[in-house]
This record gives sequence, structure tokens and C-alpha cells, in this order.
Amino acid sequence: DVKVTQSSRYLVKRTGEKVFLECVQDMDHENMFWYRQDPGLGLRLIYFSYDVKMKEKGDIPEGYSVSREKKERFSLILESASTNQTSMYLCASSSPLAGGSNEQFFGPGTRLTVL
Amino acid sequence: GESVGLHLPTLSVQEGDNSIINCAYSNSASDYFIWYKQESGKGPQFIIDIRSNMDKRQGQRVTVLLNKTVKHLSLQIAATQPGDSAVYFCAENRERSGGYQKVTFGTGTKLQVIP
Repeated sequence: DVKVTQSSRYLVKRTGEKVFLECVQDMDHENMFWYRQDPGLGLRLIYFSYDVKMKEKGDIPEGYSVSREKKERFSLILESASTNQTSMYLCASSSPLAGGSNEQFFGPGTRLTVL
Repeated sequence: GESVGLHLPTLSVQEGDNSIINCAYSNSASDYFIWYKQESGKGPQFIIDIRSNMDKRQGQRVTVLLNKTVKHLSLQIAATQPGDSAVYFCAENRERSGGYQKVTFGTGTKLQVIP
């Protein structure tokens, strides 16, 4: 059974703190993604990675960075958390298939509250 | 600009009836369209996809219709069950420069099944 796990389900941090969100997948997928999900806005892509040590900016990368040192692990970093980064964060992974739609497998999400 | 949107934020359906969830898109260059289901407290889960050169695709109790003329996508769920209650997202998948594929999600429709 394929699995994407995220380090925390709920997290409360203070403004200005450095925050690490960890994501691990056990499917040997090449691609990994970080999204944030806010009411009325759907899922918005923050960063993605198509290989180890490789990263690409998504639609809303400001205030975030990522790290992918190993294939199975993709970390999202908030260098200095702000209240507008309070959100649900979703990690996903996928494997490129020739002619396929790149189905993404999602983790359960981390609900981050920044006070 | 590019967008993937939904006509209605909430849809209430009687158990046993058929459900139709609609989605409009603006980008004609998409390769695939995908439907995801997100149950409360979980990450989105792939339901079905359709290649852009198709008009219809059927799965188990679900059918996706693609009308490229009016840039409209729909998900039909037959004999809706309480377990179908969730938020449904449409998404488009398009290959971008550099050879990678990017998925853009809509804002979601909440399906409520009335027992």
C-alpha cells in the first residue's frame, strides 16, 4: 500500500520561528510536491522537485524554501513564519509515466497555525 | 490567465441519486484533466483522469465528460452514497517547458449526501 507521510498533523508556531515540515514517501517516486490549501483557494503549489537535490518554484514560493537530500524525503522550510502562512500544508509524490496523467499521491496534511 | 474553476462551491444530493460536479477551465493546452476526492481530515485522492483527446471516460460508478468546445469538464457519480461525501477537485495537467508536467487544481466543490 503506497504511503506518503507527513511529520505532524497539527503544528502551532510563533511569528518569526523557523519551521520545518517533513514529508516521506515509500513509493520510490521521482517527483515530490508541496501545496498549501486554503478555503476558497483550493490547492496552490509552493515548490516541487523532480530529482534529488533539485527544486523548482511553484506558484507561491515566497517565504518558503525546500530541501531534497534523499529521494524519499522532501522538506518544506518556513525561514521566518508569519501569520499569513497559517494554512493546511499538503505533500504529494508522483512518478512520471509515459503518456500518463502523473497521478499524485497525497499525505494527510499538516495544519500549521502561526500565532 | 490560466484558471481551473468550479461552478458551485457546494452540492447537496439525495442518497441514491446521481451527482454531477462541474468544472470550467481556460487553458486549451492541457494534456490531461483529473478528478480528486478529498474526505475530511485526509489528503486528496485520485479518482479518474481523462486525456484531452477524449470526450468521455468511465470508471466504477464515475464518469468524466470533457467538452473542449466550451472548455467544460464534469464528474458524474451514479447512485450517490454517503461515502461519496467529500470535496471534489478538478485539475489540469500540462507539460511545461523543460519537459516537466505541472498540475493546477481548481477550488473544489463540496458534495453533501443527504440520507
